[in-house]
This record gives sequence, structure tokens and C-alpha cells, in this order.
Amino acid sequence: GQSLEQPSEVTAVEGAIVQINCTYQTSGFYGLSWYQQHDGGAPTFLSYNALDGLEETGRFSSFLSRSDSYGYLLLQELQMKDSASYFCAVRDQGGNKLSFGAGTTVTVRA
Amino acid sequence: DADVTQTPRNRITKTGKRIMLECSQTKGHDRMYWYRQDPGLGLRLIYYSFDVKDINKGEISDGYSVSRQAQAKFSLSLESAIPNQTALYFCATSGATGQRMDGYTFGSGTRLTVV
Repeated sequence: GQSLEQPSEVTAVEGAIVQINCTYQTSGFYGLSWYQQHDGGAPTFLSYNALDGLEETGRFSSFLSRSDSYGYLLLQELQMKDSASYFCAVRDQGGNKLSFGAGTTVTVRA
Repeated sequence: DADVTQTPRNRITKTGKRIMLECSQTKGHDRMYWYRQDPGLGLRLIYYSFDVKDINKGEISDGYSVSRQAQAKFSLSLESAIPNQTALYFCATSGATGQRMDGYTFGSGTRLTVV
């Protein structure tokens, strides 16, 4: 089975940098994904790491270390609209389906 | 139109009633999923389907059933609803796993309350 750990809440001010860590235990591993969800709306795909290293997409970056079973999502130049829940998710080895962490609620303050 | 459409958006039903949640997608993907979200528990997989003839149980399938009527349609049924099935339900679709950037596309969700 899959098990993912991420912090439940993070608070930061506008313009700051936030790092959301995710550690996972899986019976197989195919890749780590990140999703954003605003106020119970549809989760939206942010990033995907299959290999070790940093992937950058605008203000957001995602990192993976397969040897440490660890990844993080980095949110830079925080804006009020970044207030949302962020979920890490892992694919099983067959790449068949995603298992999600419990989510991290990010609150951005003025 | 949204890529993934779920109906109804909100539903209140009584204990013991049968209810069906519907999902349709215009992405042309073969893979579809039903997830349930409860506060503090993230998204948990109920059922998934990789094509019209394929149905698989997820981690919390008890009390639920599904039907894949066509490539674009995947419905979730609660045969006899109970209060602890009160939750936010999401349908999602994805492309083949060989694609590096094939994230899931989710619908807007169905908020179900069982009283």
C-alpha cells in the first residue's frame, strides 16, 4: 500500500517562500505529483517528478529524491490566490493509479 | 464546457436510499476514477476503470458500485446510503501512464449529504 505524510497547515505572508514537504512509503514507485485545491473545488494538477531533481514551473517548483522517499513543493513570491490546499500523490509502480496525501492548507496573509 | 462534468453538484438523501452520481468527460481518455474526500483525509480512491470493460476496486469500495457505460461516462452508485457516506465525491480522468505530464483532470465534485 501507499502512505504519504505532509504537514497539515502552513501560514506565510505575501511575497514569502513556502516549502511543503512530502514523505512517502510505497510498495512501488512511479512518480510524485502535486495538486492544488481551492475551497473544495476541483483539484488541479501542478507538477510531476519521476526522476530525482528539481522541476520548475513559474513560481512553483517541485523536487524529488527517490533514495530518501521525499519530495517537496516550493511556492515562491506568494500571492493571496495561492491560499489553497496542496496534495502530494504517488503513482504505484505500474503507474496505474494515484494515492494522495491528506493535504497541506496554505494560508497567505497580507 | 468543462472537461469533466459531474451531476448533481449537491445532493441530500435519506439513509437507505439508492443514489447515483454521474460523470462524463470530453478529454477522450480511457482511464476514469472515483475519489471521496473527507476533511483531513485527503482523496481516497473508491473505484477506477481503464476502459469500458475494465472495473477495479480502490481502497474504500465497500458500499459503492460503479458502471462504465461508455468511454466518456462513469457513474458511481450508493445502493443503500448511510450517514458516514456523507462526503465530497470527485470523478477524474487521465491519459496513459507513459506520458510524463499526464496529470489527472478532476470534475467539480458532488457534495453528498446522507441524513
